[in-house]
Amino acid sequence: DTEVTQTPKHLVMGMTNKKSLKCEQHMGHRAMYWYKQKAKKPPELMFVYSYEKLSINESVPSRFSPECPNSSLLNLHLHALQPEDSALYLCASSQGRQGVPNYGYTFGSGTRLTVV
Amino acid sequence: GQSLEQPSEVTAVEGAIVQINCTYQTSGFYGLSWYQQHDGGAPTFLSYNALDGLEETGRFSSFLSRSDSYGYLLLQELQMKDSASYFCAVRNSGGYQKVTFGTGTKLQVIP
Repeated sequence: DTEVTQTPKHLVMGMTNKKSLKCEQHMGHRAMYWYKQKAKKPPELMFVYSYEKLSINESVPSRFSPECPNSSLLNLHLHALQPEDSALYLCASSQGRQGVPNYGYTFGSGTRLTVV
Repeated sequence: GQSLEQPSEVTAVEGAIVQINCTYQTSGFYGLSWYQQHDGGAPTFLSYNALDGLEETGRFSSFLSRSDSYGYLLLQELQMKDSASYFCAVRNSGGYQKVTFGTGTKLQVIP
């Protein structure tokens, strides 16, 4: 299995809602990432988990809350979002170990989020 | 701060060769990657250069000059399906796992 699976593919939520994005990989990768991508812009790093521990938080607002329940799963909990948070949210994974050749990230297809 | 600059758009003819440049300015550098992203799709890893020189993978090649803080992606025998956005990405001093993406180049292949 060489895929990163993200659910749901599309999500519309109100500003008072609570929702969660899910990401799953079974490649044995030990680093997992959340990226945010606005239209016609590059992906922007939000969070990095390494061996199920949060290792990087790119000063993301607290209305975004990541969780890594185990080495295969990554969640992003959403609460009280703003319309400007509407974007494509991408999950990725990689080997994540020092000394391992970098063969790049494997990205999921993303969740297209619309906040109304 | 970090900056990775790419041309915003490039147009090339089917069957031709096109080069997409990337110049970077980062506080640290561990390697340069390239990703392809079709509209509505996920970024797909294409290549990685940690050392100076040319890496070839089929129709795609990537070049790095660390002294010039410069790299490029070379696409040969262009096909219509190569129409996509291409991003360079630097693994930098923020940590082994931290990757910063360039501004992106939208490639249009025309018949």
